[in-house]
Parts: sequence; structure tokens; C-alpha cells
Amino acid sequence: AQSVTQLGSHVSVSEGALVLLRCNYSSSVPPYLFWYVQYPNQGLQLLLKYTSAATLVKGINGFEAEFKKSETSFHLTKPSAHMSDAAEYFCAVTNNNAGNMLTFGGGTRLMVKP
Amino acid sequence: DAGVTQSPTHLIKTRGQQVTLRCSPKSGHDTVSWYQQALGQGPQFIFQYYEEEERQRGNFPDRFSGHQFPNYSSELNVNALLLGDSALYLCASSSGPANTGELFFGEGSRLTVL
Repeated sequence: AQSVTQLGSHVSVSEGALVLLRCNYSSSVPPYLFWYVQYPNQGLQLLLKYTSAATLVKGINGFEAEFKKSETSFHLTKPSAHMSDAAEYFCAVTNNNAGNMLTFGGGTRLMVKP
Repeated sequence: DAGVTQSPTHLIKTRGQQVTLRCSPKSGHDTVSWYQQALGQGPQFIFQYYEEEERQRGNFPDRFSGHQFPNYSSELNVNALLLGDSALYLCASSSGPANTGELFFGEGSRLTVL
């Protein structure tokens, strides 16, 4: 079985500030981890993915995430928030057995204040 | 290159009715997955179709059924609608059912059950 917990359903930062969105996972086998972003009334867009290569993964729009096996975490960061980053962010997990059947967390809504 | 397209974008049904949602995968993709996203929650996996067969299924009742056509497009059918079926239904496509890479999502079909 696999699961994802995203701490904080809402996160608010000022424009230019550091963005940190937390994700912890549970998986009985080596995981593959993803961050997706969802803008209002749109589908999900992949930000980045970890598939057992480098533990620090760089994605689109300046986002990156670090896989920490000892902490079962895959937190998403961005050094400087932009107004256009305001959206819902979802962390997801799968593994070799589950293929592309993703298990998503509950999501974190990021708000960016001017 | 068209991405994943879904129809209809919005629809309203009443309890007990039946609904059919449609999805065309991204060009070159042969696998379609369906997810249900209730308001304020992360997407939940319903099932996946590959080679016109259901390959994986999440924890959804038999009222939820699907089909994949020879051109890889897919339908999601829900019978005997309940109020709790109100949600955004997302279709995602990929190349192969075991691909743990990127899923491409459509913008979804928003179903309201009254």
C-alpha cells in the first residue's frame, strides 16, 4: 500500500519569499514521486518527478524537490515566489508494481501576497 | 499536437441518472486512466485502460465502468448517480500501462449531481 500526506492545506507567502510545500509518503517498495500543479478550472500539470536517479530534482518554473529516504519526504521548494505561482499543488506516489496508478495527497493551496 | 481532450466540460444530472464522459488521449499515447477529484481533495484513481481492457482498478463500486476504443479513446460511465458522485473527473494518458513517467491530464469534466 502507498499513501501521501501533505502538511498544510493552505500556505501563504509574500512575493519574493521562499516557497516550501511539504510532502511525506509511505510505500512498501521504492517509490516514484511526483509534484503536480493545478491552476483554477484546469487539469494537472507535471512540475517534476523522482524516479530513483538524482535525489535533488529540478522542475519547471524554478521549482525543485529533494527525495529524503530516511525522512520519507519529498518537499517542494522555490527560492522566490511569483504571483503566477498561486495554485493548488499535489504530491503523488507510485512504484514499479503500481505502474502509473498514482496515489495523490490532499493538495496544498499556495497563495502569494503582493 | 493536441493534448488530452475531455467532453463535456460541465454537466448536471439528477440522482439515479446515468452519465457518460469521454476522453481522447494525447497523440501517441495508448493508455488512459480516469481519476475522480472531489472538491477540495486530491484526485483518486478509478481505473486504467490499455489494449481495450481494464488493467487496474481503484476502490470504486461497479457503478463505475469504462471502455476503450481501438483508436485509444475512452469513456467513463457512471450508473445510478449519487450526490457524492459530484466531482471533477480527470482523464490522463500515457504510453503504456507500466510507464512510471509523466501522465498527461485533460482539463476534466465537472459533474454536478442534484
